[in-house]
Amino acid sequence: ETTLTQSPAFMSATPGDKVNISCKASQDIDDDMNWYQQKPGEAAIFIIQEATTLVPGIPPRFSGSGYGTDFTLTINNIESEDAAYYFCLQHDNFPYSFGQGTKLEIK
Amino acid sequence: QVQLQESGPGLVKPSETLSLTCTVSGGSVSSGSYYWSWIRQPPGKGLEWIGYIYYSGSTNYNPSLKSRVTISVDTSKNQFSLKLSSVTAADTAVYYCAQESKYGSGFNYWGQGTLVTVSS
Repeated sequence: ETTLTQSPAFMSATPGDKVNISCKASQDIDDDMNWYQQKPGEAAIFIIQEATTLVPGIPPRFSGSGYGTDFTLTINNIESEDAAYYFCLQHDNFPYSFGQGTKLEIK
Repeated sequence: QVQLQESGPGLVKPSETLSLTCTVSGGSVSSGSYYWSWIRQPPGKGLEWIGYIYYSGSTNYNPSLKSRVTISVDTSKNQFSLKLSSVTAADTAVYYCAQESKYGSGFNYWGQGTLVTVSS
C-alpha cells in the first residue's frame, strides 16, 4: 500500500500570493498523481492529472510538478475563490490512497 | 458534463447494513469507458477508497473493507450502489461516489457526498 503524506494541513494566504502544497509518496508512483479542489458542500473538482497536466477548464495559475515520490501543487497569484480544501490522490496501485488534505484560507 | 448524486439513509444502527445509491446523469454506467467508485471520509480524517464496479459487474475492493462491501450496478436506472455490512461507529463518514476512466487515471467526476452516521 502507498501512503501519501500531504503538507501543510492548513495554510493562510493573501490574494496575489504563491502557495505550494506538498504530497510525498511512501514508494515510487511514477507520475500517477492527481490533485483535487473541494469546497464545502460541493463536489470535488479535478485540477491536475498525471502530476503535471492541467485539467481542461482549470485556470493556468494552478500547476503541478514532481515524479516518483515527491509532488507539489502550486497556485500562483492566489484569488479569493481559491479558498478550499485540496487533496492528492495516487492511482498507481491499489488500494488507491489520498493525502490528508490541505485547507487553504484566503485572508 | 457528468453529474453524480448520492442518496440513502443518513442514520444507520450499529451491526446493520449501510446502503447508498449513486445516480448518474450526463453519462451512462453502461459505458465501457469508466469505472464507478465509492470513497468515504470520516469526520476529521482523510479520504479512503472503498472500491469500484465496471459496467460488466466486475469489482475491485479495498482489502481493508472487502469482507463487508458489495458494490452493484443497475444499468436500467443508470445507478450504482454500495452496501456495507455490520457497521460500527467507525463507519460514520461522508460517502462519495465518483467516475474514473477505465485507463486508471483517477477520478474525473465526484458527487457532493452524503453523511452517514452510525448510531443507535
